[in-house]
Amino acid sequence: AQSVTQLGSHVSVSEGALVLLRCNYSSSVPPYLFWYVQYPNQGLQLLLKYTSAATLVKGINGFEAEFKKSETSFHLTKPSAHMSDAAEYFCAVSGAGNEKLTFGTGTRLTIIP
Amino acid sequence: NAGVTQTPKFRVLKTGQSMTLLCAQDMNHEYMYWYRQDPGMGLRLIHYSVGEGTTAKGEVPDGYNVSRLKKQNFLLGLESAAPSQTSVYFCASSYSWGEGTQYFGPGTRLTVL
Repeated sequence: AQSVTQLGSHVSVSEGALVLLRCNYSSSVPPYLFWYVQYPNQGLQLLLKYTSAATLVKGINGFEAEFKKSETSFHLTKPSAHMSDAAEYFCAVSGAGNEKLTFGTGTRLTIIP
Repeated sequence: NAGVTQTPKFRVLKTGQSMTLLCAQDMNHEYMYWYRQDPGMGLRLIHYSVGEGTTAKGEVPDGYNVSRLKKQNFLLGLESAAPSQTSVYFCASSYSWGEGTQYFGPGTRLTVL
């Protein structure tokens, strides 16, 4: 079985500041890792995913995440926050084989003007 | 190309009433999923399907039934609604299991009084 832990249910950053959303995973098999974003009153959409190719994964809207096996982490970053980044972000993990996708509890990102 | 659509968008039920949520996808995906989203709990898998005519239980299946009679449709039924089923329901589909990106519908907000 696998799981993800997202540290911080709410994160606030100033516009133009670094965005860092933390995700740690637990998996007994090589993981596939995902970040999804949910804008208000919408469904989730994929930001980026790691599937055992490059450890630094670039996604949409300037986001990226680095897979660190030694730390079992997949933190999401963006160098400069924009007002349009305000949303809820979900980290998710599945595993090679028959593992289903498991979501974290989400982090709500607020951008301060 | 509409992606994943859900019907209805909103619904209010009284305890004991029944209803069916409809999910449709036009991407020819084999895999389809039903999730519920509750504050602070992320997304939890209710049921899923790995192909036409197949269904399987997820993490929180009690009180729900599903059917996948056609590849493009996945129905979620509540036979006797309870207040604990008040939630936002999301349907998703994917091309492959595990590493496959899941594409989400816009959600159905259900309130059970």
